[in-house]
Amino acid sequence: DSGVTQTPKHLITATGQRVTLRCSPRSGDLSVYWYQQSLDQGLQFLIHYYNGEERAKGNILERFSAQQFPDLHSELNLSSLELGDSALYFCASSKTPGINYEQYFGPGTRLTVT
Amino acid sequence: AQSVTQLGSHVSVSEGALVLLRCNYSSSVPPYLFWYVQYPNQGLQLLLKYTSAATLVKGINGFEAEFKKSETSFHLTKPSAHMSDAAEYFCAVSDSTYYGGSQGNLIFGKGTKLSVKP
Repeated sequence: DSGVTQTPKHLITATGQRVTLRCSPRSGDLSVYWYQQSLDQGLQFLIHYYNGEERAKGNILERFSAQQFPDLHSELNLSSLELGDSALYFCASSKTPGINYEQYFGPGTRLTVT
Repeated sequence: AQSVTQLGSHVSVSEGALVLLRCNYSSSVPPYLFWYVQYPNQGLQLLLKYTSAATLVKGINGFEAEFKKSETSFHLTKPSAHMSDAAEYFCAVSDSTYYGGSQGNLIFGKGTKLSVKP
């Protein structure tokens, strides 16, 4: 158990819909990273938040957005869903940005768009 | 921009045999490199990381990797495979700048699935 929790575990929804994925980081971790794992694209970095502020963006679509709240949990919002958005979405947390502290990954949320 | 390439999407070894998983990187600045393992239906777990200290890095579960700048490689090895090593392994490089800073955002390879035969 990494200490990072993600809800829900599984999500099945239809094209065109909007969903919200939730991530609670480990206690004391201020950075939250979101990654997408799909068969086509592999594991891709989406976005990074540190202490409530966006730190970096990766290959995140404009239909996707994220935020980190004062209690440090983070939400990833996916809208106008397409079949290709079906993937496993991971969040990871670390104490601070950078490479000095390990990123701990949650178990992921599996999104299926039908 | 940094990138990593993992050679071989599937590797199969016998129990007790050497494990060698290959990773080559591309980076215009000194890289920070990582190996992660993913067991079925689980998140990723860090095996080891290279951050420009020692070139031979020891990790958990008996794994180690050697950073070779001349070959732009960071191959993962384990002398003797166990059944419990069957999993998918990902090589990753962290975004970094010419002055050595990094946000920690990871760029992953496509992964290598390791099978261990009894």
